[in-house]
Amino acid sequence: GQNIDQPTEMTATEGAIVQINCTYQTSGFNGLFWYQQHAGEAPTFLSYNVLDGLEEKGRFSSFLSRSKGYSYLLLKELQMKDSASYLCAAPRYNTDKLIFGTGTRLQVFP
Amino acid sequence: ETGVTQTPRHLVMGMTNKKSLKCEQHLGHNAMYWYKQSAKKPLELMFVYNFKEQTENNSVPSRFSPECPNSSHLFLHLHTLQPEDSALYLCASSHDYGSGGSTDTQYFGPGTRLTVL
Repeated sequence: GQNIDQPTEMTATEGAIVQINCTYQTSGFNGLFWYQQHAGEAPTFLSYNVLDGLEEKGRFSSFLSRSKGYSYLLLKELQMKDSASYLCAAPRYNTDKLIFGTGTRLQVFP
Repeated sequence: ETGVTQTPRHLVMGMTNKKSLKCEQHLGHNAMYWYKQSAKKPLELMFVYNFKEQTENNSVPSRFSPECPNSSHLFLHLHTLQPEDSALYLCASSHDYGSGGSTDTQYFGPGTRLTVL
């Protein structure tokens, strides 16, 4: 089987740093995706990690540890527009079928 | 138009109605997907088409009927739906599906918010 776990909700302050964790249990591993979804809008691609380590893209970074079945999304210098749901997803082993977590709803306050 | 578009954006229908959702991608991709997103639940894959051929049907009830006339267009025909089918229906596309190697990134449309009365 395959399971993706992430916190349901988080809050943070504008200008701060927030880390959104995702753990996964799979029979194999073929990469991990992060998407951002604003309310009523399409999920938009943020990152795809296949190898261990941290990948940085501007204010957003994504980390992966395959041995621990763990990933996180790091958001720096938070802005109000970062208030959204952040979806963690991984393909079922040996397929391209994405399994999604329930998403983490992040609220950024002034 | 760029990216993935979906129409209508909102749809209200009775349980006896027949309606269709439309998705179009302008990315030159070969794979298209239908997902269902319900409140408090993960995105659920419904169907996958690769080069116009259906490659995945995730045990979806027959009241949902997909159609993929070409690699750019995807439809979801709806009939005799139930109130529990109310959800956001998302379309996505990717370069390919199931070709091996790393998984291609999926790009999503804005979704159709469906309400079944």
